[in-house]
Amino acid sequence: DAGVIQSPRHEVTEMGQEVTLRCKPISGHNSLFWYRQTMMRGLELLIYFNNNVPIDDSGMPEDRFSAKMPNASFSTLKIQPSEPRDSAVYFCASSSPNRGNNQPQHFGDGTRLSIL
Amino acid sequence: RKEVEQDPGPFNVPEGATVAFNCTYSNSASQSFFWYRQDCRKEPKLLMSVYSSGNEDGRFTAQLNRASQYISLLIRDSKLSDSATYLCVVNSGYSTLTFGKGTMLLVSP
Repeated sequence: DAGVIQSPRHEVTEMGQEVTLRCKPISGHNSLFWYRQTMMRGLELLIYFNNNVPIDDSGMPEDRFSAKMPNASFSTLKIQPSEPRDSAVYFCASSSPNRGNNQPQHFGDGTRLSIL
Repeated sequence: RKEVEQDPGPFNVPEGATVAFNCTYSNSASQSFFWYRQDCRKEPKLLMSVYSSGNEDGRFTAQLNRASQYISLLIRDSKLSDSATYLCVVNSGYSTLTFGKGTMLLVSP
């Protein structure tokens, strides 16, 4: 089975540009999570969706960040305008339908984002 | 108090050694616990779930102490391939997980 698929794997762009990160969750998984990982702050949850609906976006740093999930097999995280402090690895993860709350999350390979 | 706290390490051990990592969590209502492994420049991968009675998977043993809000991971007979960062993970809501910053393990020949 295919795992979580993210694109691009690497992105280098100049500050002020719009950045769009993409994610395809594992088929059948109904929860999708966007994380950001840095050395200083570790892995931080930005937003998560359940059945394509955003449930908690309290981790989104500011209005420059937005995320959508138009259908069960696709999500985007957009940064506009981008800033150098947004440089990090962005992970997408998905988990299977809840049978209680013991579902682990499966991660994509991540997008390494560098804003110059 | 941080939600999930771990000693960042690194723990440097020789091959064949036994090593243990600890983790404390602040949310007494947490119900799900995991250990993830993350290799350098890779994504986190589930190593094992942690059950109330403790559980073992080959050379790996996980323990949970709810009273002290403490989770541990024991690795026996360390292999070079065990070198990685080990993330302690606790559920922080119905679907969400909180990750510790990880403990780095370096196994040397």
